[in-house]
Amino acid sequence: SYELTQPLSVSVALGQTARITCGGNNIGSKNVHWYQQKPGQAPVLVIYRDSNRPSGIPERFSGSNSGNTATLTISRAQAGDEADYYCQVWDSSTGGVFGGGTKLTVL
Amino acid sequence: QVQLVQSGSELKKPGASVKVSCKASGYTFTSYAMNWVRQAPGQGLEWMGWINTNTGNPTYAQGFTGRFVFSLDTSVSTAYLQISSLKAEDTAVYYCARVDIRDGDYFDLWGRGTLVTVSS
Repeated sequence: SYELTQPLSVSVALGQTARITCGGNNIGSKNVHWYQQKPGQAPVLVIYRDSNRPSGIPERFSGSNSGNTATLTISRAQAGDEADYYCQVWDSSTGGVFGGGTKLTVL
Repeated sequence: QVQLVQSGSELKKPGASVKVSCKASGYTFTSYAMNWVRQAPGQGLEWMGWINTNTGNPTYAQGFTGRFVFSLDTSVSTAYLQISSLKAEDTAVYYCARVDIRDGDYFDLWGRGTLVTVSS
């Protein structure tokens, strides 16, 4: 089965840039999607198909995907960006696959 | 308003069954497949599988066969998750989430989740 690997935690200073990675075998050949989940809330899609932002998601959120690593970048980090972030792909044999999640702390 | 409204929290005893509902509104129900995602306390997201809202055909992820059943009532745009022979380890929040049935591979709309607690 396909596996996605994320760091458990990432810290970023207020106003700086946070980068959250998602590793997988040749993940660059797949569409990667990212979700933000705040405590007690449902996940929210923030990036789909590597680098596309849904309506209502700030331009500060961007994504890239190449080789064995996909990256979610959050520019000018705000206190409100503190959350868990999950990457996700759709694997032809496994179906939906989520990474383990990364807790973002804004210092 | 485009939304998925899930049923309320459930407290069940081990061995019992539970049925969680997910009612869609604001869009054409059969244009999107319905997926189910589990999140155990303090843990990450786990995809359980999906049901084709056109055919009613369910697909279950590994680890979610046997006791888990996905079903539909298209007349009221509602998807259901039934879990039988409940165990303590089934305690979790269960989310429904839609995927474009044509070529979708991401979950663009989620329900707020249903907490199922299994305890004697």
